[in-house]
This record gives sequence, structure tokens and C-alpha cells, in this order.
Amino acid sequence: GEDVEQSLFLSVREGDSSVINCTYTDSSSTYLYWYKQEPGAGLQLLTYIFSNMDMKQDQRLTVLLNKKDKHLSLRIADTQTGDSAIYFCAESRGGYNKLIFGAGTRLAVHP
Amino acid sequence: DAGVIQSPRHEVTEMGQEVTLRCKPISGHNSLFWYRQTMMRGLELLIYFNNNVPIDDSGMPEDRFSAKMPNASFSTLKIQPSEPRDSAVYFCASTPGYEQYFGPGTRLTVT
Repeated sequence: GEDVEQSLFLSVREGDSSVINCTYTDSSSTYLYWYKQEPGAGLQLLTYIFSNMDMKQDQRLTVLLNKKDKHLSLRIADTQTGDSAIYFCAESRGGYNKLIFGAGTRLAVHP
Repeated sequence: DAGVIQSPRHEVTEMGQEVTLRCKPISGHNSLFWYRQTMMRGLELLIYFNNNVPIDDSGMPEDRFSAKMPNASFSTLKIQPSEPRDSAVYFCASTPGYEQYFGPGTRLTVT
């Protein structure tokens, strides 16, 4: 299909790790992205991974890419209440890096 | 840099009126994207420009929608006439290459 798919909701306890999963469709996507959206705000670019990599770590964030299965995940270590937001994965398509977004995963962090 | 700037932040208008949304991309970025976000359809790419030239407007929903980029520092998205189903948050994003940075969005309500 044409869609980038994500689970809609994830609830975690503060201090635990969160893992948000995504499947994409275009095997020729050059870059894959994770964005964060807080209520009433725009999308904040969290991290991205080049398609020839299988892992990227940036402080508390770890991105894993399984190109064979077209599966992308975002792990947030030591999840905090400030991490509560909607997380979007996106794949790039075409020479101008058009982004196709998933529906977003709402992450709720509770004490 | 101030980031991507959008105005107005909120717009309430009556059906049939013309609406113009404005965007100032980050200086030096050569591509600009317009997106629409709704609960039902998520994030949709409407149109994008490269070096001020429209590249792909296949996401523009109807002829009532038009977009221009007269120079590298300014773009507009116009809806004429507006309809209630155009109510959404409209985002502008700019990129120097592969990292897209989003503005805060314009929340449009058409009554």
C-alpha cells in the first residue's frame, strides 16, 4: 500500500523505555524521520536515519532500521513526562525529499 | 535564526471568504512545503517548491486552493472561496536538503 503505518497509542511509566514502531512502504526511501508534536505546536524534527544505516543513537533516542522488513523504530530511554506527545514517522520519496507521514503515535507517560 | 514563521497563527472566517496564509522559510533553505493536518486525514502534503518553482501540486485538494512563492523568503497559500471542510491546521516547512523544519502552523476555522 501507500501508507506509512504506526500504532496509535502507547502508555509507559516514567523512567521506563518507550519503543514506537513504524512500517513504511517505499524501499527506495533515502531518509527516514521521527518528528515530535506537542499540543498546539508544530512538528519538531527529533532525528533521522539514512537508509544505509541500521542504527543511530542520539542521547536518549535510538533509531533502528530494518530495511528488509521496512520497519523503523524509535526507542526513548528513561522516558519523562515531558516526552508525552505525538510521534510521527515519515519516509522520504523522490528527488526533492517529499515526506510521507504516518498517522502518529500518541505517547502517554504516567508516574 | 527565528525558524519558519507563519501568519496568522489563528484565522476564523465565514464560508465563501478568501483566506490567505503566509510563510517565511528559514533563510538559505531552498525548498518549501505546505501541509494540512486534520484529525480525519492526518498530515497531507499539499504542494512544494524548489528554488521558488512549484514542483508538485498534486496534493492540492481543489482549484479553490492556490500557492505562490514570489521570492525565496515568502510564500502564500490561498483558499478562495473557503468552505467549512477546509478547517484544519496548515503547516509550512522548509529545508536546505533533507532536514525539514516546520513552522508553528495556522489554525483555520471556517464557519
